[in-house]
Amino acid sequence: AQSVTQLGSHVSVSEGALVLLRCNYSSSVPPYLFWYVQYPNQGLQLLLKYTSAATLVKGINGFEAEFKKSETSFHLTKPSAHMSDAAEYFCAVSETGANNLFFGTGTRLTVIP
Amino acid sequence: DSGVTQTPKHLITATGQRVTLRCSPRSGDLSVYWYQQSLDQGLQFLIQYYNGEERAKGNILERFSAQQFPDLHSELNLSSLELGDSALYFCASTSQSRGNEQFFGPGTRLTVL
Repeated sequence: AQSVTQLGSHVSVSEGALVLLRCNYSSSVPPYLFWYVQYPNQGLQLLLKYTSAATLVKGINGFEAEFKKSETSFHLTKPSAHMSDAAEYFCAVSETGANNLFFGTGTRLTVIP
Repeated sequence: DSGVTQTPKHLITATGQRVTLRCSPRSGDLSVYWYQQSLDQGLQFLIQYYNGEERAKGNILERFSAQQFPDLHSELNLSSLELGDSALYFCASTSQSRGNEQFFGPGTRLTVL
């Protein structure tokens, strides 16, 4: 069975500061890992995904995430926060060969001007 | 724009009623997934169809059912509605060529009064 845990339901950062959103996963098989962003009143948009090709994954809008098997983590980072990054972020996992996603509870990111 | 369309955008109905939510996947995508997003349960996978056949089932209530038609659009039927069914319902689609990358529609917001 797979699951993800997102630490911190709310994270606030100042504009220009580092963004770090935490995600730990549990999976009995090598996982596929994803980060999605949800802006208010919109659907989910894929930021990046890990599929075992490289441990450091670069995504859209300057975000990246590093897969650390020893720590079962897939934290999302961005060096410098923009006001437009304010949104809810979801980490998700799926089994290799199976496509349904298991989502974490989400982290709401607030960017302070 | 993900290419996945969902109708209606909003739906308000009363307890005990039945509603149908519609999803059109991206052109060429054979798989359709339904997810429910609620304050209580977060984002949960409900059911997946692949080329007209049910492929996987998640936390879908017996009062809920879905189908995928020959033109690949999908419908999610919710019956005997309860207040707790109020949620955002998302549809996502993917194709084998895109691996596990799911593209989400804008969602249907269901309010049960």
